[in-house]
Amino acid sequence: SQTIHQWPATLVQPVGSPLSLECTVEGTSNPNLYWYRQAAGRGLQLLFYSVGIGQISSEVPQNLSASRPQDRQFILSSKKLLLSDSGFYLCAWSSRATEAFFGQGTRLTVV
Amino acid sequence: DAKTTQPNSMESNEEEPVHLPCNHSTISGTDYIHWYRQLPSQGPEYVIHGLTSNVNNRMASLAIAEDRKSSTLILHRATLRDAAVYYCIPSGGTSYGKLTFGQGTILTVHP
Repeated sequence: SQTIHQWPATLVQPVGSPLSLECTVEGTSNPNLYWYRQAAGRGLQLLFYSVGIGQISSEVPQNLSASRPQDRQFILSSKKLLLSDSGFYLCAWSSRATEAFFGQGTRLTVV
Repeated sequence: DAKTTQPNSMESNEEEPVHLPCNHSTISGTDYIHWYRQLPSQGPEYVIHGLTSNVNNRMASLAIAEDRKSSTLILHRATLRDAAVYYCIPSGGTSYGKLTFGQGTILTVHP
């Protein structure tokens, strides 16, 4: 069966520090991968999605970037965090014909 | 993306049926209607999806209006574990994970 791993679960980072969140998927190949963010009290916003290694599409301009170095690995990064980057970050995967499966999320607090 | 309208909140008693409505009057002819739910501090969970015909699965039923401009998620017997935010999301069939989340409906289930 397929599983998605996302870590860490919680993270507190100072303003201006770098960020790296990692997501891996097991049990499937060539998945579509997604990064979402949920600000406090709001709905989820799609940040990035990838249909293959090295193929990244950005949905909104922001202080973040994403990379897909391997087929089932998706990384969300920032060189310098802003206070507004705080939120609940969720990784998800899907195939072309299945629903999306979400990870447990990382709660990031920038202080 | 099609705009959706859902009640901000609904309440139900345990063991009773719940009907969660969604209006999506601008849905395109090829969009599926997806429903996800999000429990507190967790990632969204797929519930059900459909195109034109009503759909049933072990979690819920989806009733789709004949003109496809609205749909209703039906939980046949609500339990306390069904308390969550429910999202109705029209989405194209090319990428099931590229989802535009609205504010959703907060469902409260009373014992």
